Formats: sequence, C-alpha cells, structure tokens
Amino acid sequence: EVQLVESGGGLVKPGGSLRLSCAASGFTFSSYSMNWVRQAPGKGLEWVSSISSSSSYIYYADSVKGRFTISRDNAKNSLYLQMNSLRAEDTAVYYCAREGGYDHFFDYWGQGTLVTVSS
Amino acid sequence: DIQMTQSPSTLSASVGDRVTITCRASQSISSWLAWYQQKPGKAPKLLIYKASSLESGVPSRFSGSGSGTEFTLTISSLQPDDFATYYCQQYNSLWTFGQGTKVEIK
Repeated sequence: EVQLVESGGGLVKPGGSLRLSCAASGFTFSSYSMNWVRQAPGKGLEWVSSISSSSSYIYYADSVKGRFTISRDNAKNSLYLQMNSLRAEDTAVYYCAREGGYDHFFDYWGQGTLVTVSS
Repeated sequence: DIQMTQSPSTLSASVGDRVTITCRASQSISSWLAWYQQKPGKAPKLLIYKASSLESGVPSRFSGSGSGTEFTLTISSLQPDDFATYYCQQYNSLWTFGQGTKVEIK
C-alpha cells in the first residue's frame, strides 16, 4: 500500500525557516517524481514544487522561488521542503504528492502538515 | 502561465441528480487534465486523468470529457458520498489547479 506521511509543520515567525519531510513507503520511491502542494485555510490547492526521480529536474511556483528548496533522499525514501524567509501568506497545509508514472497527474497524496506563519 | 477556471464555484444538488462541472484552460492543454475530489480535512483524491480516464477504484458514475481548453466532469447520479469539493488540474505545463467547485446538498 502506498503511503506518504508528512511531518515538520508548526508555528513559525515571519522571516523564519522550517523544513518539511515526507516519508514514502509501499512503492519504489526512486522511480517517481514527487511534488509539494499547499492549501491555505479555506482556499484552493496551489502547486508549490516538483522534483524528478533522480533530482535532475526541479521546478518551483513563482510564489516560492528563491525561498523554498525541494530535495529528496532516495536511500531514505524521503522528500523534503526547506522553507526560508517565511511569510504570513505561506500559512497552509502542505501535502506531498506522487506523480503517476509516465503521466504527470498526482495519484497519491499524504495527509498534510500544517504550517502557520505568525508573530 | 496557464490559468484554469472552474464553474460554477458552488453547486447545490440532490441525491440522484446529474451534475456537471466545467473547467476552462487559458490555452490549449491537449488532454493533460485531471480531476480530484476533496472532503473537509482530507487530502485530495484522484478521480480522472488524461481528461477522460477513470482512476482505478473510482465509481463509474464519474466521467470526464473534453480536450484543448474546455473540459467537464460529470457525476451521472449524485450519491451522498459525493458531496465534496472538486478541482481540475492541468499538467501540460507545470501544474495549475482550478479554484474548486463545492457540491453541496440542496
């Protein structure tokens, strides 16, 4: 069974940093591209960042470019999101999501971790 | 950047109704479109990919159609478990979600 479990969320002050993790199991993690998607309270879904299976291709939404860094450790079956210079508008539930094989939709999602940026 | 626009934003319907949600892309995305269902406090769930392909395990009352810039998600006979928010997503060029359509009980 595919499982994605996020952790690392919490309360952080504006300008602060946080590192999110996503632990993957039930599939060959090193064969799949992975993504982070966020959802502000009461709002819709926003794609944040993507990383290919071997970390060769990395993409960011304009809203986080230069502040967030996506990475992965295939030996540990883990995905990460380093978030720096956090702003109030980064407050959201952050989901990790797997890309479905040759196609680029998201077939499995974690349960999410809440990041709150507030003084 | 490709923008995705869903309509309506909210839809009131009854059990047994046929429901259609529309998603429009700001430029052609061929058939690179997915639909997700999200319930409160839960992660999104994939329903449809490549515009019309039903994800394994998803009931056949869900169907998708369209190509280019206009797409629809249809629920042929709304069930109690279907009251949720639905999102379209383009994956032709990076990823963009529509703003969501909340299906509520009439």
